[in-house]
Amino acid sequence: AQSVTQLGSHVSVSEGALVLLRCNYSSSVPPYLFWYVQYPNQGLQLLLKYTSAATLVKGINGFEAEFKKSETSFHLTKPSAHMSDAAEYFCAVRRGGGTSYGKLTFGQGTILTVHP
Amino acid sequence: KAGVTQTPRYLIKTRGQQVTLSCSPISGHRSVSWYQQTPGQGLQFLFEYFSETQRNKGNFPGRFSGRQFSNSRSEMNVSTLELGDSALYLCASSSQGTPSPTGELFFGEGSRLTVL
Repeated sequence: AQSVTQLGSHVSVSEGALVLLRCNYSSSVPPYLFWYVQYPNQGLQLLLKYTSAATLVKGINGFEAEFKKSETSFHLTKPSAHMSDAAEYFCAVRRGGGTSYGKLTFGQGTILTVHP
Repeated sequence: KAGVTQTPRYLIKTRGQQVTLSCSPISGHRSVSWYQQTPGQGLQFLFEYFSETQRNKGNFPGRFSGRQFSNSRSEMNVSTLELGDSALYLCASSSQGTPSPTGELFFGEGSRLTVL
């Protein structure tokens, strides 16, 4: 079975500072990994996804993530935080193989606060 | 292109009642998945439908059920509501063609259910 652990339920940064949100996964097969963002009273929006094509993945809004198999990690980073980045971020894993791809296993989420 | 539409957005029910939530996927998408989001348990997979067939089911009691219609619209039903069923229920759609493990899930804004 696959699982996801997000280290830190709350992260606070100053505007312009580096954003680092941590995600570690556990999967018995090569995983497909995703980062989603959720703004208050909204659904989830995909930031980026790892599909084994490249270990460094670039997403929307200046975010990127690096897949490190040896560390079973998929941390999300952004060089310079913006006030509009304040939201909750979810790391998710999808098991490879099979035919059912609607099931993602999500981490508990990290709330990002950006201070002026 | 219209996104995933969920209705109603907000609803209040009392214990013992039942509720039906509706989801209209993105035009052309054939796969619909449902998730329950609560502060304590986070995002949990309920079930997935593809071409009117349930492909996968999460670890929820039989009070939770769903179906998909020939136009890909989906409904989920919760019978004999309990206080713990209060949650944001999210619907996601994907797969214009053959489902892919790298495919993105597109989420609606959710239906927020409060059980009193």
